Amino acid sequence: GENVEQHPSTLSVQEGDSAVIKCTYSDSASNYFPWYKQELGKGPQLIIDIRSNVGEKKDQRIAVTLNKTAKHFSLHITETQPEDSAVYFCAASKGGSQGNLIFGKGTKLSVKP
Amino acid sequence: DGGITQSPKYLFRKEGQNVTLSCEQNLNHDAMYWYRQDPGQGLRLIYYSQIVNDFQKGDIAEGYSVSREKKESFPLTVTSAQKNPTAFYLCASTDRGRTNYGYTFGSGTRLTVV
Repeated sequence: GENVEQHPSTLSVQEGDSAVIKCTYSDSASNYFPWYKQELGKGPQLIIDIRSNVGEKKDQRIAVTLNKTAKHFSLHITETQPEDSAVYFCAASKGGSQGNLIFGKGTKLSVKP
Repeated sequence: DGGITQSPKYLFRKEGQNVTLSCEQNLNHDAMYWYRQDPGQGLRLIYYSQIVNDFQKGDIAEGYSVSREKKESFPLTVTSAQKNPTAFYLCASTDRGRTNYGYTFGSGTRLTVV
């Protein structure tokens, strides 16, 4: 079955710097790749997603890139702010009736003011 | 506003007790999921249901049970057979008919054994 590896497990950056979180997936049939942000004591919230027919997607300070050949995708956060501090999860899915999301183990991002 | 509601937010269980966590959604989503999250850990799938009156075991189903009698509701029972139930429990849902397969999560229930 699908396996999603996420790195790093923790990431500390200075406010204003960029942060990059990387994920790799094993099933070449996966076609949907969302990223979730989880603040302390809350449920994960979808922040951006990308489908396999697109190589890059951007929404203000966050962007996701996908390399289908290498089977990896990355989250990029620019001009980080303290409120970006949270746990970020990547996930992969094949879609359809068998398309349960498979999650990475998460990255704890700390943005120091 | 549409959303997914988990209750209670905090729950305390005595050893040997069964407890039930509630999950209700008004998003008209077909599929619903239960995840367990331990401190500093990722999301582990307990059970999921893609349609009313049907559900499947996830990776860590032992000691848990579910029902799906209504589309809107997917309660999770933590039984006395679950030896280490203290954790943060998350419910999620998604609409299989859409091209976007992302999940909507509830705000979670923190279960503590006392």
